[in-house]
Amino acid sequence: NAGVTQTPKFQVLKTGQSMTLQCAQDMNHEYMSWYRQDPGMGLRLIHYSVGAGITDQGEVPNGYNVSRSTTEDFPLRLLSAAPSQTSVYFCASSPGSTSYGYTFGSGTRLTVV
Amino acid sequence: GQQLNQSPQSMFIQEGEDVSMNCTSSSIFNTWLWYKQDPGEGPVLLIALYKAGELTSNGRLTAQFGITRKDSFLNISASIPSDVGIYFCALHLGNQFYFGTGTSLTVIP
Repeated sequence: NAGVTQTPKFQVLKTGQSMTLQCAQDMNHEYMSWYRQDPGMGLRLIHYSVGAGITDQGEVPNGYNVSRSTTEDFPLRLLSAAPSQTSVYFCASSPGSTSYGYTFGSGTRLTVV
Repeated sequence: GQQLNQSPQSMFIQEGEDVSMNCTSSSIFNTWLWYKQDPGEGPVLLIALYKAGELTSNGRLTAQFGITRKDSFLNISASIPSDVGIYFCALHLGNQFYFGTGTSLTVIP
């Protein structure tokens, strides 16, 4: 049972480059979200999805795009990377009932130079 | 987003000591969650609280949902080195979870 799988674990980008952070879950969870973690800022929600074909913006969506074509996958796209996007990114999923909270992946550490 | 204040920001304690941390919100909520993040890993759910006044334990961890529904407390008894990490409170609003800024715990053997 893999849970929530994120790839890659580490990535260095140059300013202006684009890339996609991958997230997959094998628990048939309806809810999926992307968070970024910065020192002293906690976890901030970027985008979330409550089911295939449905996405919405969180607290800090600028510079990021998402799509949810399947229940299992929820990729996060950086269109034109900026140094301010240097962070640790976490993908999380939940069965759909908020009572269960989120199961998190192990994170992607992104550095933009 | 919702204002979630978590304190203290960091703690340095001796092994065996008890630990207490808390979280307050600007609004009333129905669900409080407590997570722990080990270094280099994603957060893991420790305890979930669903009603005001609820007191729930998970081993040496005890969490309480405040009567006002605007706060929650997490206590760790008899700390051990593996308790090291960052502890986050979180609450649910609509389809989103909001997280506190975290309490970093260091346990000195």
